[in-house]
Amino acid sequence: QKEVEQNSGPLSVPEGAIASLNCTYSDRVSQSFFWYRQYSGKSPELIMSIYSNGDKEDGRFTAQLNKASQYVSLLIRDSQPSDSATYLCAVVAGNQFYFGTGTSLTVIP
Amino acid sequence: KAGVTQTPRYLIKTRGQQVTLSCSPISGHRSVSWYQQTPGQGLQFLFEYFSETQRNKGNFPGRFSGRQFSNSRSEMNVSTLELGDSALYLCASSLGFTGGEKLFFGSGTQLSVL
Repeated sequence: QKEVEQNSGPLSVPEGAIASLNCTYSDRVSQSFFWYRQYSGKSPELIMSIYSNGDKEDGRFTAQLNKASQYVSLLIRDSQPSDSATYLCAVVAGNQFYFGTGTSLTVIP
Repeated sequence: KAGVTQTPRYLIKTRGQQVTLSCSPISGHRSVSWYQQTPGQGLQFLFEYFSETQRNKGNFPGRFSGRQFSNSRSEMNVSTLELGDSALYLCASSLGFTGGEKLFFGSGTQLSVL
C-alpha cells in the first residue's frame, strides 16, 4: 500500500509569514511530485510540480524534494489570506497518482 | 483553452438508483482519471482511461464503472447506489503518454444519495 502522509492541520500563520507544509511518502521509486491547492467547495488546482532533489521556486512558492528522506515540502512566502485553503500533496509511482489527505492552511490577517 | 468540464454539477439520487457522470477533458488530453473525494478519506482513485482503454483501477467495487469514447470524453457509472457513495466525484485529465504527467481537475459532481 503506497502511502502519502500529510499533517491535516489546521495550520495557522499570520499574514506575511512563511507557511511550511510537509509531506512524506512510502514508495522509494516515486517519480514525480505535485502540490495542489483546494479552496473550500472547489476542485484541486495544480500549483507546483517537482521531479528532482532540491528546491524549485515559482513566485511565492518553493517546493523542496528530498528523495533519500522521502520527503517533499511546500513553502509559501509572504502568506496572504487568499492562500487559505487545503493543500494536497500528490506522489506518482508506477504511473499512478497517490494523494495525501491534505493540510488545511489559514492565513490570519 | 477550455478546461476540464464535468456534468452535472450536482445530483441527488436515492438508494438503489444508478447514476452516470460525464467528463470532457482538455483538448489534446487523452487520459481521464476519476476520483472520489470525501471529507474523511481524501481523494480516492477510481480508474484511469487512456485511448478508450482502462489503464489503471483503484480498489472500488464493481458497481463503479467507466468508459472512454474516441473523442477522449469519459463517463462514470455507479449502479445500485448506497448512502456511502455520497461524495464529490472529480475527473482529471492529462496528456497521458507517460502516465505521470500533470493532472488538471474539473469542477466535480457533488452526488448526494438519500
